[in-house]
Amino acid sequence: SQTIHQWPATLVQPVGSPLSLECTVEGTSNPNLYWYRQAAGRGLQLLFYSVGIGQISSEVPQNLSASRPQDRQFILSSKKLLLSDSGFYLCAWEPIGGNVLTFGAGSRLTVL
Amino acid sequence: QKEVEQNSGPLSVPEGAIASLNCTYSDRGSQSFFWYRQYSGKSPELIMSIYSNGDKEDGRFTAQLNKASQYVSLLIRDSQPSDSATYLCAVIFRYSGGGADGLTFGKGTHLIIQP
Repeated sequence: SQTIHQWPATLVQPVGSPLSLECTVEGTSNPNLYWYRQAAGRGLQLLFYSVGIGQISSEVPQNLSASRPQDRQFILSSKKLLLSDSGFYLCAWEPIGGNVLTFGAGSRLTVL
Repeated sequence: QKEVEQNSGPLSVPEGAIASLNCTYSDRGSQSFFWYRQYSGKSPELIMSIYSNGDKEDGRFTAQLNKASQYVSLLIRDSQPSDSATYLCAVIFRYSGGGADGLTFGKGTHLIIQP
């Protein structure tokens, strides 16, 4: 069966510090991968999606970047965090050709 | 413009009653629709998908789709306190970058089932 792992689960970072969130998927090959952010009182906002290794698309301009160094690994990064980067970050995957999205447990980021 | 609209609530329903959650979407060409449930502090989990006009039933849950009206709803029968959560409506729009059909989510309706 397929599983998705996300870490760290919780982190508190100062403004201007770097960020790295990691997501891995097991039990499948060539999944579509997504990073969403859910800020307090707001809906899920799509940040990045990837259909393959090294292929990253961004839906909105932001202070963040994403990379997919391996087929089942998706990384969200920032060089300098802003207060507005605080939120609940969710990695998700769907099988290629499918449309059912499964989420990881999420990473809660607080920027102080 | 890709938009999915939901009433944020809270929607308060007595235990045992039917909870009715509604959603409208902006793209008439959308073909796939989903309902996710999100407990406080947790990630969303899929509870229903619907692709054709009409009703789709799964246990206590019924999803209803009306593409002409661009309207999706979720009914929860015999509501239980454990159904208290935020319910997210999601619609597939094709992304501007192409290559993947991902979900656009509404902001969710907060449902409270009163014992």
